[in-house]
Amino acid sequence: AQKITQTQPGMFVQEKEAVTLDCTYDTSDQSYGLFWYKQPSSGEMIFLIYQGSYDEQNATEGRYSLNFQKARKSANLVISASQLGDSAMYFCAMREWLSGTYKYIFGTGTRLKVLA
Amino acid sequence: SAVISQKPSRDICQRGTSLTIQCQVDSQVTMMFWYRQQPGQSLTLIATANQGSEATYESGFVIDKFPISRPNLTFSTLTVSNLSPEDSSIYLCSVETGRDSYEQYFGPGTRLTVT
Repeated sequence: AQKITQTQPGMFVQEKEAVTLDCTYDTSDQSYGLFWYKQPSSGEMIFLIYQGSYDEQNATEGRYSLNFQKARKSANLVISASQLGDSAMYFCAMREWLSGTYKYIFGTGTRLKVLA
Repeated sequence: SAVISQKPSRDICQRGTSLTIQCQVDSQVTMMFWYRQQPGQSLTLIATANQGSEATYESGFVIDKFPISRPNLTFSTLTVSNLSPEDSSIYLCSVETGRDSYEQYFGPGTRLTVT
């Protein structure tokens, strides 16, 4: 079974509008972390935002916020005021403790295209 | 944060040969990881590079094919052995600094093409 599910292979958004990228996860651990990364066409992986499972408030980093709904096991990324430079692949990832070490599991990604 | 460099940035290799990829970090880090990203795909964790001991491999990855070294807290190598066209991928090194946050930083990647 998929541990990280991103159901939107591609998304379009108009410049200056907000967009939500969906991510659901599956874990039986109580302690875990959720991440979002951006991968532009250049290929680099850029860390965007982190949410710990015990964090009561949703994480925010500038124009990025993470809508964390623990009971629903969802960790959606909200990008406000989209810019053309936001066009990229976005990956949701989970960090959990397994077999005596930390593991990172990535979703399949959502390709976001910002339209002028 | 951490600054990570990888060498080489890209290479074209013949089937049956090996490629060793180096990952250098500008500060000591607790955790180092190696990932593979096949064309158009997500990232798959190959192994966790442990300092002073054998790497911890994920299901589907074995030491004979992907030997890893980590001689100190700032450096690691991944070798992809007995190359086949299916090994054509981007290989990424990442680190977790272990300081105050769980941010994972990635190197720029090594693009491998096997002919």
